[in-house]
Amino acid sequence: KNEVEQSPQNLTAQEGEFITINCSYSVGISALHWLQQHPGGGIVSLFMLSSGKKKHGRLIATINIQEKHSSLHITASHPRDSAVYICAVTGNQFYFGTGTSLTVIP
Amino acid sequence: KAGVTQTPRYLIKTRGQQVTLSCSPISGHRSVSWYQQTPGQGLQFLFEYFSETQRNKGNFPGRFSGRQFSNSRSEMNVSTLELGDSALYLCASSLGVASGLETQYFGPGTRLLVL
Repeated sequence: KNEVEQSPQNLTAQEGEFITINCSYSVGISALHWLQQHPGGGIVSLFMLSSGKKKHGRLIATINIQEKHSSLHITASHPRDSAVYICAVTGNQFYFGTGTSLTVIP
Repeated sequence: KAGVTQTPRYLIKTRGQQVTLSCSPISGHRSVSWYQQTPGQGLQFLFEYFSETQRNKGNFPGRFSGRQFSNSRSEMNVSTLELGDSALYLCASSLGVASGLETQYFGPGTRLLVL
């Protein structure tokens, strides 16, 4: 049983495309986090959401608490956006999705 | 400010041995969380320490333990190593005021290989 489901698992896009990654969860949460992991392992926290929408540069994250769903959007994608994007939720502990591997082709 | 540091970065051990990993959080951060990442299971939460006390715990066997010192540095210990313990072990620090509701800052990880 996976508490957090992400889709798609893999995504290839052309530079400049609009990208959406989805995350659904089945547990009660305090917050939802979007993380970015580059090859080599380093993880960076992109967003933490408990409601609504947040924007940082070309990245937008939304959450619908009633539907237990979140989306991460990347506008005008760039090759440097190539990474694994991981959705995580916090309640009593952290639960992680399996990640979406994004490749942006020049 | 210096980021989260982890030592060692790479480690090779044999089955049955034990290992201790170290994590130094960002200055001023009082919470340290530990995670295991494997190709098969992905990222999994091990435990969180705050003010030298374990605040939250994931679903790992008792072979996995940790502690936190008064300067917020944390260590993680795995005893009686198994092949399946081969993984990237990540720690993350945060202010610690509201567990789970704060941005976490991740270290580079320690890659453990068990032979």
